[in-house]
Amino acid sequence: DAGVIQSPRHEVTEMGQEVTLRCKPISGHNSLFWYRQTMMRGLELLIYFNNNVPIDDSGMPEDRFSAKMPNASFSTLKIQPSEPRDSAVYFCASSPERTKETQYFGPGTRLLVL
Amino acid sequence: GDSVTQMEGPVTLSEEAFLTINCTYTATGYPSLFWYVQYPGEGLQLLLKATKADDKGSNKGFEATYRKETTSFHLEKGSVQVSDSAVYFCALTSDYKLSFGAGTTVTVRA
Repeated sequence: DAGVIQSPRHEVTEMGQEVTLRCKPISGHNSLFWYRQTMMRGLELLIYFNNNVPIDDSGMPEDRFSAKMPNASFSTLKIQPSEPRDSAVYFCASSPERTKETQYFGPGTRLLVL
Repeated sequence: GDSVTQMEGPVTLSEEAFLTINCTYTATGYPSLFWYVQYPGEGLQLLLKATKADDKGSNKGFEATYRKETTSFHLEKGSVQVSDSAVYFCALTSDYKLSFGAGTTVTVRA
């Protein structure tokens, strides 16, 4: 199996620009997660989808962040407008079931906002 | 709420040394416990897991036992290699949400 696929792997943008991160979960997994990793805050859960429906978005920092999952094989995380403090590594993960299951992580997108 | 506390790093070892990273947790109910490993520039990979008390997870020479009486899940390896240099995260889930420890950076010198 291909594993979780994320694109782009690296993104450099200027403050105020829109950034879109993409994720393809493992086929057959019905739970999808977006995380952010920074040195200061560690790993933070941003949003969780189950069967393409957002279940928990309490970790989304503010209205500048939005996430969608239009179908079982694709999700996006959008930041508009981006700010330097959004610089981080963003991970997508998927799991086969809802509860207590292993989450499989993608390679991450390293975002730098200048 | 659920939380994980793991040993602060960084940890520096010589090749073939014994490694232990302490992890304790607080959770309601009966969580599943995990160790993930992150190599430089990569995502998190599952190293091992345990889903109930007294279960032992093992992989690549690493082991950890789910101890409910001490709420611990310590990671051990008897003889580390340079290739084990990475950041190790202890984590738990009682439902869908993974709670991570802060991570422990391990460097193994040849």
